[in-house]
Amino acid sequence: EPEVTQTPSHQVTQMGQEVILRCVPISNHLYFYWYRQILGQKVEFLVSFYNNEISEKSEIFDDQFSVERPDGSNFTLKIRSTKLEDSAMYFCASSRTLAGAYNEQFFGPGTRLTVL
Amino acid sequence: GQQVMQIPQYQHVQEGEDFTTYCNSSTTLSNIQWYKQRPGGHPVFLIQLVKSGEVKKQKRLTFQFGEAKKNSSLHITATQTTDVGTYFCAGNYGGATNKLIFGTGTLLAVQP
Repeated sequence: EPEVTQTPSHQVTQMGQEVILRCVPISNHLYFYWYRQILGQKVEFLVSFYNNEISEKSEIFDDQFSVERPDGSNFTLKIRSTKLEDSAMYFCASSRTLAGAYNEQFFGPGTRLTVL
Repeated sequence: GQQVMQIPQYQHVQEGEDFTTYCNSSTTLSNIQWYKQRPGGHPVFLIQLVKSGEVKKQKRLTFQFGEAKKNSSLHITATQTTDVGTYFCAGNYGGATNKLIFGTGTLLAVQP
């Protein structure tokens, strides 16, 4: 069964450093998402992406964040200058469609980001 | 803004007992999705409800969507230890994107 993959599984970085989190969505999916989950809290929407453009972003997704689909398979989230409060589990998700049938989102295993 | 609340935050049951979690949205939803997250795991899609008053069943799990499309529930009959995890509802408000607004989650503990 196809699945979303994410690398690395755990990233430790110093405050102020840049990090890039990588995701490979399911191959026939067209819509991509990033969510984050601070330990013990709910999952929060960050950004949605379609046709090489951001469709929507939350207030969390400020100028420090960017997303990119550098090739036909990868989808990345970059945090330019990490802060302590960026420590969280970051989930990538993808869906085949936007609405109607097949719009359910499939989540990757996540990248745990620890900012020291 | 769009908010999704869930109750209870935590439920501890004996194996074989039933369990229900309730989800409420501040505004009308386009659809609602339910996810299960095992400890240390990622959200796994369970089901999507779209129609007002819809009821769907998956073995021991029964999902309901309210008539006003602002609330939903998940009921598990005769819980098993494999049901342990956090159950999240996630609201989809339609529009230009498919973003999900997750509820606060209900952590289910099942004692054998």
